[in-house]
Amino acid sequence: SAVISQKPSRDICQRGTSLTIQCQVDSQVTMMFWYRQQPGQSLTLIATANQGSEATYESGFVIDKFPISRPNLTFSTLTVSNMSPEDSSIYLCSVGWGPDSPLHFGNGTRLTVT
Amino acid sequence: ELKVEQNPLFLSMQEGKNYTIYCNYSTTSDRLYWYRQDPGKSLESLFVLLSNGAVKQEGRLMASLDTKARLSTLHITAAVHDLSATYFCAVDEGGSEKLVFGKGTKLTVNP
Repeated sequence: SAVISQKPSRDICQRGTSLTIQCQVDSQVTMMFWYRQQPGQSLTLIATANQGSEATYESGFVIDKFPISRPNLTFSTLTVSNMSPEDSSIYLCSVGWGPDSPLHFGNGTRLTVT
Repeated sequence: ELKVEQNPLFLSMQEGKNYTIYCNYSTTSDRLYWYRQDPGKSLESLFVLLSNGAVKQEGRLMASLDTKARLSTLHITAAVHDLSATYFCAVDEGGSEKLVFGKGTKLTVNP
C-alpha cells in the first residue's frame, strides 16, 4: 500500500476565510477522492478528483465551495472556501487502485471554524 | 440512490463474548468493504468482499457477504479490549470505487 501524506493535520480558521488541504501519495494512483466526516458521524463523499480535468461533485457539494485540483497522478488539493462553523469537520483524502482493492485513507485534516 | 444501514450503532460487550454487526444495503453491489476507525485516527481497511458468499477472517473478526440478501456481517469472536473501535461497512456504488458508508458501529469491549 502507498503512503498518503495529508496536510495540514488540523487547523483552526476564522469564518469567511479559505483553507487548502493537500494530499500527496508516494506512488501513482488510479482514483483519488475527498470525503468529509462530521463530528461523530459517518463519511460522506465530496467529490472524485480527476487527473487533468474538473472534479466530479456529489449531490450537495459544489465547485465554488470546494474547489479541487489534481494536476497529476500523485497529488490533489481540496479548498474549503468562505468557511462557516458548519464546515467544521474532518476532511479525508482517499486513494484507490481499482475496485478489487480497498480505498486507503490519509490521516485526515481536522478543521475547526470559529 | 444507494443506502447502507448498519446495526447496531452502539455495542457494549464483555471480553470473551461473541457478537455480530450487520450491514444492509439497498441496491445491487458485489463489492463491500469493512473498515476500522480508532478515536482521532483515520480508517484502516479490514476486509474486502468481492463476491456472493465471500468470507474473510482475520484474528477474532470474520466478515461475510450475501449479495442476494444485500447483507454483510462482521462477526466478533471472544472479544478483547483491543477491538474497541468504530467499525464501518462501505459499499461500492456501481463499480465506480465511490464508496457509500454506513453510519458505523461503535464497539466498546469491557474487561
